[in-house]
Amino acid sequence: GQNIDQPTEMTATEGAIVQINCTYQTSGFNGLFWYQQHAGEAPTFLSYNVLDGLEEKGRFSSFLSRSKGYSYLLLKELQMKDSASYLCAVRDSDYKLSFGAGTTVTVRA
Amino acid sequence: IAGITQAPTSQILAAGRRMTLRCTQDMRHNAMYWYRQDLGLGLRLIHYSNTAGTTGKGEVPDGYSVSRANTDDFPLTLASAVPSQTSVYFCASSEIAGGGNEQFFGPGTRLTVL
Repeated sequence: GQNIDQPTEMTATEGAIVQINCTYQTSGFNGLFWYQQHAGEAPTFLSYNVLDGLEEKGRFSSFLSRSKGYSYLLLKELQMKDSASYLCAVRDSDYKLSFGAGTTVTVRA
Repeated sequence: IAGITQAPTSQILAAGRRMTLRCTQDMRHNAMYWYRQDLGLGLRLIHYSNTAGTTGKGEVPDGYSVSRANTDDFPLTLASAVPSQTSVYFCASSEIAGGGNEQFFGPGTRLTVL
């Protein structure tokens, strides 16, 4: 099984940068995903890492270190619309996803 | 519009009743999934199907059953609902189970069991 930890809440100011950390312990690693979920809505895909290193997509970047069981999601130039929950998910060797409990990010003006 | 639909949007159900949550996708995705989402626990996998005709158990399968008769539909049945099954249920699909293929989520069904 998977054990996935991420902070419960984070607050940041509009225009700032926030880094959401995710640590995991897994019995078989086959990729790590980040999803965004606004309140009352479905999760939507942000990023995918399977090899060590940084993946950049516009204002969002995701980093993976498989040896450390560690990932982070970096949100730059924060906007009010970025207020949401961010979910870290690890895929196992059977292609099933296990999700962390999510990190609620609040962006303040 | 392509995507995943779920029905009903919300439902209040008496304990002991049978209930089927419907999920349909028109993206011709091979893999489909059912999750429940509870406050503080995140999304937990109930059942999944990597291709039509096959199903598998996830992390919390007890009290639920699924079938995958065709590519598009993946209904979730609660045979005899209990209050602990009160939750928000999300259906998801992906093109195939592996690779960088992300899962696309439906809008969810909010279920309350009294």
